[in-house]
Amino acid sequence: EAQVTQNPRYLITVTGKKLTVTCSQNMNHEYMSWYRQDPGLGLRQIYYSMNVEVTDKGDVPEGYKVSRKEKRNFPLILESPSPNQTSLYFCASSSSRTLISSPLHFGNGTRLTVT
Amino acid sequence: KNQVEQSPQSLIILEGKNCTLQCNYTVSPFSNLRWYKQDTGRGPVSLTIMTFSENTKSNGRYTATLDADTKQSSLHITASQLSDSASYICVVSPPYGNNRLAFGKGNQVVVIP
Repeated sequence: EAQVTQNPRYLITVTGKKLTVTCSQNMNHEYMSWYRQDPGLGLRQIYYSMNVEVTDKGDVPEGYKVSRKEKRNFPLILESPSPNQTSLYFCASSSSRTLISSPLHFGNGTRLTVT
Repeated sequence: KNQVEQSPQSLIILEGKNCTLQCNYTVSPFSNLRWYKQDTGRGPVSLTIMTFSENTKSNGRYTATLDADTKQSSLHITASQLSDSASYICVVSPPYGNNRLAFGKGNQVVVIP
């Protein structure tokens, strides 16, 4: 089944403790991205990648890192999480690097709580 | 200012009734406009896509319209079902070469029996 898989689905951590949220897609998509979704703010892009070893900042990149060493994986790293990073995170991929001809395929989200 | 505004923010409708969701955008020019459906606890899923030259497109009980002159789109749900309870997100794609999507904040729809 074609899908985007995020892990974990739920994560509670403390301020400053490094964490990684994994994202994997099995559709051979070149484009991958991370979003956070907060009440009243909608989806906001954190980072995106148009190909292996190519990443770029989205609208809210502060406090986050990403890497794209393989086509299928795009982990999101929080080196020193803070409470304002408590949010619902989505990974997405697309076969279209320009996002014109194909939609985004989203994972089912990771709910992160930082205390 | 957000480039994509959706209204109403939320609404409650009775099962079997119709409803219309609105999306106003300022992105110009644009390549296409998509409506996504996001069920509670799940990621968004694409419902429809419309290019600037299209006026209407249907996907089952969902019908999207687009008026590129007034920069407005609507999503009409016919004969609503309980499974239509979700958030509906309007997303506008800029022209080729710019892959930064503009997201609306969503219309939260609750269908009650």
